[in-house]
Amino acid sequence: DTGVSQDPRHKITKRGQNVTFRCDPISEHNRLYWYRQTLGQGPEFLTYFQNEAQLEKSRLLSDRFSAERPKGSFSTLEIQRTEQGDSAMYLCASSRSGQGNLIEFFGPGTRLTVL
Amino acid sequence: GEDVEQSLFLSVREGDSSVINCTYTDSSSTYLYWYKQEPGAGLQLLTYIFSNMDMKQDQRLTVLLNKKDKHLSLRIADTQTGDSAIYFCAEGKLIFGSGTRLLVRP
Repeated sequence: DTGVSQDPRHKITKRGQNVTFRCDPISEHNRLYWYRQTLGQGPEFLTYFQNEAQLEKSRLLSDRFSAERPKGSFSTLEIQRTEQGDSAMYLCASSRSGQGNLIEFFGPGTRLTVL
Repeated sequence: GEDVEQSLFLSVREGDSSVINCTYTDSSSTYLYWYKQEPGAGLQLLTYIFSNMDMKQDQRLTVLLNKKDKHLSLRIADTQTGDSAIYFCAEGKLIFGSGTRLLVRP
């Protein structure tokens, strides 16, 4: 296992279009997290899953955003009707429960540009 | 709500020690973290400390935790030019600070 992977690495879209990103966590990790990072800021927590259950969602996650983890393995993050303010790096991380919330592994991120 | 604050910028000379400071609000966090981010690269977990510890040393890195004041610091001994990066403090489910940009001058 080479770590957390994300696809695509870059996405350019026009305002109003829908986009979907994928995250593949480390295989034995049952927790998966999504974050968003804008230029000059630290990552902001969006949501997290334990297995297939979405346990927490940030208020940053408007109704245009939806995340799924249907089989408790990979996860998708969809943004509908994208806006220019959605332009950011979207980061995924994974961890094992039973380690508190020790989050060691982040993916390389998907950079979204909304024109 | 939860919040993490850091100073924005630190410049040191190569070979000196660097100290990056952070204050946080959530006293229930099990872990407190330091992450490093280099230009164009992903987030790398540098070190972390359990909330029931006061200090952790890992080679050139020393983390100090003052729970009473909710203050966390990262000391890098013998700072090298390769240490130039943005350092993020984080707590809990990873509430991050805005990052401290460390510049190491030769």
